[in-house]
Amino acid sequence: GAVVSQHPSWVICKSGTSVKIECRSLDFQATTMFWYRQFPKQSLMLMATSNEGSKATYEQGVEKDKFLINHASLTLSTLTVTSAHPEDSSFYICSARGLVTYNEQFFGPGTRLTVL
Amino acid sequence: AQSVTQLDSHVSVSEGTPVLLRCNYSSSYSPSLFWYVQHPNKGLQLLLKYTSAATLVKGINGFEAEFKKSETSFHLTKPSAHMSDAAEYFCVVSDGGSGYSTLTFGKGTMLLVSP
Repeated sequence: GAVVSQHPSWVICKSGTSVKIECRSLDFQATTMFWYRQFPKQSLMLMATSNEGSKATYEQGVEKDKFLINHASLTLSTLTVTSAHPEDSSFYICSARGLVTYNEQFFGPGTRLTVL
Repeated sequence: AQSVTQLDSHVSVSEGTPVLLRCNYSSSYSPSLFWYVQHPNKGLQLLLKYTSAATLVKGINGFEAEFKKSETSFHLTKPSAHMSDAAEYFCVVSDGGSGYSTLTFGKGTMLLVSP
């Protein structure tokens, strides 16, 4: 149980385009979803927290207009990287937490974004 | 505020020898503590977690960790390393309680296992 999927697993795009990444909780209702960014050989940095049906809360230094997060249902959150640039290239990982999972977050497999 | 310090960025062991990955934490509340493993270009897999029950926690793949409040430590151990254990390991703290707390990650420890 408590499986989280991400799609796509990897994506390559041209500079200036927008990319959408989906995060789904497959077998539980995720009241809260988290988006992390991981640079090579570094730890995960929390970008934003989203609760179903409300606006995401962004961490300091994360541009909310550039990284659009939507959590429209209890099983789906999306992260859209708008007008992507090469410096946005990174590994993006989502996690999900539900009422029945208490304080534990379940992580997706990650999405590798490369912006040319 | 909460924080995690992983004392070693790299640990090298030989296959069959014990593994020790060190982690110290700081938390204002009764913390929940986790160890995750990440293989290259993969997501995170939970190894084990401490949530105020038994202080010695057993996880998957033979790993275990002991919560020591007096030392604010949560070191990860395994009696005998296997080649497949080579990966990045993250110690994570959550201040628990409300259920709306966030996770704070350590910088990670790369475990290298040689034959």
